[in-house]
Amino acid sequence: AQSVTQLGSHVSVSEGALVLLRCNYSSSVPPYLFWYVQYPNQGLQLLLKYTTGATLVKGINGFEAEFKKSETSFHLTKPSAHMSDAAEYFCAVSDTVTASKLTFGTGTRLQVTL
Amino acid sequence: NAGVTQTPKFRVLKTGQSMTLLCAQDMNHEYMYWYRQDPGMGLRLIHYSVGEGTTAKGEVPDGYNVSRLKKQNFLLGLESAAPSQTSVYFCASSYSTGPVYEQYFGPGTRLTVT
Repeated sequence: AQSVTQLGSHVSVSEGALVLLRCNYSSSVPPYLFWYVQYPNQGLQLLLKYTTGATLVKGINGFEAEFKKSETSFHLTKPSAHMSDAAEYFCAVSDTVTASKLTFGTGTRLQVTL
Repeated sequence: NAGVTQTPKFRVLKTGQSMTLLCAQDMNHEYMYWYRQDPGMGLRLIHYSVGEGTTAKGEVPDGYNVSRLKKQNFLLGLESAAPSQTSVYFCASSYSTGPVYEQYFGPGTRLTVT
């Protein structure tokens, strides 16, 4: 069975600082990995995804994530936080067996302060 | 395109009452999903459908029923609502890009059961 662990339910950064949101996964087969963002009172929007190939994946709004198989991690980063990045971020996993279904982490709420 | 829409946006029910949540998508996606989102628990899959006329149980199906009579619609029913079903419900639809299924989410329905 797959699982996703997001370390830190709340992360606070200053505007302009590095954003690092952590995600570790467990999967017995090669995973597909996703990051979604949820702005207040809205649905989830796909930020980026890893399937195969290049392990550094670039997404929307300046975010990127790196798939590290040896560490079973898929951490999300952004070099410089903006106030508009304040939202909840979810890491999710599927795999070659359960490709149509996602297993979500519990989410990390990002706060950006002046 | 409207994408994924959900009706209603908000609802308050008394314990024991029934209701149906409607999800509609105009992207001709084969797969549709119902999730619930609770604080600190991320999104959990209730039921899903791999095509018109099909449904399957997800992680937390008890107390819910679904139907997919038309490809574009996926209905979630609560026959006898309980306070434990107070949650935010999200519908999603997906298509495959090769082996990967990318899910698109609706804006959510906030349900309170008193």
